[in-house]
Amino acid sequence: RKEVEQDPGPFNVPEGATVAFNCTYSNSASQSFFWYRQDCRKEPKLLMSVYSSGNEDGRFTAQLNRASQYISLLIRDSKLSDSATYLCVMHTGGFKTIFGAGTRLFVKA
Amino acid sequence: EPEVTQTPSHQVTQMGQEVILRCVPISNHLYFYWYRQILGQKVEFLVSFYNNEISEKSEIFDDQFSVERPDGSNFTLKIRSTKLEDSAMYFCASSEGLRGPNYEQYFGPGTRLTVT
Repeated sequence: RKEVEQDPGPFNVPEGATVAFNCTYSNSASQSFFWYRQDCRKEPKLLMSVYSSGNEDGRFTAQLNRASQYISLLIRDSKLSDSATYLCVMHTGGFKTIFGAGTRLFVKA
Repeated sequence: EPEVTQTPSHQVTQMGQEVILRCVPISNHLYFYWYRQILGQKVEFLVSFYNNEISEKSEIFDDQFSVERPDGSNFTLKIRSTKLEDSAMYFCASSEGLRGPNYEQYFGPGTRLTVT
């Protein structure tokens, strides 16, 4: 089983839609979780950290479910500029970071 | 806003040659990382560096690779004898710490390495 699994998509949604991504992980020792976005041929950019209590940043909401070992990202009121690949990222408390393969999102006008 | 910088943006080299990729992490960050991303594939961890030594490395980071912090600002990745399969985008990242939000890593724009 892969350490981090994401639905590769692509998700094709109209502007204004709500879209949700999930990411599952296999290592129960994983401690810190993040969502990054990556535009084509660019560096990953931090979107938000993910906390057990859930956290929200504007149109973005992230949740962590340790019992089921998954994290989620909800994007409300999608914009054209949200089109990107969304990367689920975690580390196990050591110095190693594990990236998911990413979920591609296309927001259409 | 402080940012991670990397040079060069694109490096072309012949198989068997040595390359050095350079990074300047964010100034108050203490942890430094190198990643690679082969075109169309996921980002892969190579190595982390703290307190002037390697903290952890992946199975990709073999004897051909080395890292160094030669001065107070630069962080370098050296590939001793490049292979065709080393062609990839190499990202440098840095973080302030290792716990919670302090572990948020900030990435440089990357160096595209092409081995011919």
